[in-house]
Amino acid sequence: KQEVTQIPAALSVPEGENLVLNCSFTDSAIYNLQWFRQDPGKGLTSLLLIQSSQREQTSGRLNASLDKSSGRSTLYIAASQPGDSATYLCAVNFGNEKLTFGTGTRLTIIP
Amino acid sequence: EAGVAQSPRYKIIEKRQSVAFWCNPISGHATLYWYQQILGQGPKLLIQFQNNGVVDDSQLPKDRFSAERLKGVDSTLKIQPAKLEDSAVYLCASSYRQGQFQETQYFGPGTRLLVL
Repeated sequence: KQEVTQIPAALSVPEGENLVLNCSFTDSAIYNLQWFRQDPGKGLTSLLLIQSSQREQTSGRLNASLDKSSGRSTLYIAASQPGDSATYLCAVNFGNEKLTFGTGTRLTIIP
Repeated sequence: EAGVAQSPRYKIIEKRQSVAFWCNPISGHATLYWYQQILGQGPKLLIQFQNNGVVDDSQLPKDRFSAERLKGVDSTLKIQPAKLEDSAVYLCASSYRQGQFQETQYFGPGTRLLVL
């Protein structure tokens, strides 16, 4: 069964610190992987999309890495800000043209 | 560029009643998705359309849920009759299929359904 896991479910970090969110998946034969952000009461916003042939993607203070062999991806956030507080979801396309989501990590940045 | 529009934003109904949700995708996006997100969980795909044809509805509870995308643009998702466990946020997303890679999906704000 193709599954996506995100641990921890919640994380609190003081403002200004760098942090890493983790995502693991059960099948290494993936098409691509996406990181999304979800704010309370709102939809999802795509942050980064990594194709299976890529090792990492960067956007501003965000850097996502992909290691297919170990079934892992990380989202690195540099110099965290209170505005980064949200739930971060990892989603994997296992090649069946649909996304399988993890349960998310709820991030709180403490001012 | 206008985003994915959904309505209503909130809906409260009693069990066994019917409810319908509407989605208008980003202009030019051929692929449309409906997801169900139960509190504390990630979104789960219910149905995927490519233009006005169904690509995947394997996780749609077809005894009570139905969806259509007439003319390959707007879509409606209906629940009839609703159960307590249908309480969730229903998210609509769209993407512009190009090439062999799945493009980024753009999500609407969702409809929050509470079944009493």
